[in-house]
Amino acid sequence: ETGVTQSPTHLIKTRGQQVTLRCSSQSGHNTVSWYQQALGQGPQFIFQYYREEENGRGNFPPRFSGLQFPNYSSELNVNALELDDSALYLCASSVGTGRLSGELFFGEGSRLTVL
Amino acid sequence: DAKTTQPPSMDCAEGRAANLPCNHSTISGNEYVYWYRQIHSQGPQYIIHGLKNNETNEMASLIITEDRKSSTLILPHATLRDTAVYYCIVRVAGNDYKLSFGAGTTVTVRA
Repeated sequence: ETGVTQSPTHLIKTRGQQVTLRCSSQSGHNTVSWYQQALGQGPQFIFQYYREEENGRGNFPPRFSGLQFPNYSSELNVNALELDDSALYLCASSVGTGRLSGELFFGEGSRLTVL
Repeated sequence: DAKTTQPPSMDCAEGRAANLPCNHSTISGNEYVYWYRQIHSQGPQYIIHGLKNNETNEMASLIITEDRKSSTLILPHATLRDTAVYYCIVRVAGNDYKLSFGAGTTVTVRA
């Protein structure tokens, strides 16, 4: 089975620009969540998508938005980039229900630098 | 989700057992204890989880105290590849996949 893949792996943007990050979930997984990890800190939950609907959101402003597609792949969009948005963005996929549903499979992340 | 407390760092000798403590004194009855680790420049990796019974898999063992206020992750024979940040997380299992990562414990395995 294929794992979670993210693209691009690294990118540099300037303040005020917009960015789109992409994630392909692991085969058979219908739930995708996104996390932001600043340097030296643990990942912070941004939001989660299940069956193409957002069904959970962390403490992030509306300029962070996402999409999930019928094949369960996902995008994270960030508008009006700020310097503090520089971070590693992690995508994680999982299966929808059940006791084992706490196991998330993470990709390697997209490293965003905002100048 | 209940808050967890972990030591910021610890060293371990290669081949020896590594015992990683975690305090979660405000854990609720329906909250599980999860452990993830993050090797440098990679995404977090699931290790193990449990509710109240001790659990073991091919990677590690999880020992949860009877009052469930603390737990220990045991890596039985640490290798250099186990050097990573280890996160202890408590949460209710279900459809909400939000994991609240703290700062974790940076484990360095030394030859």
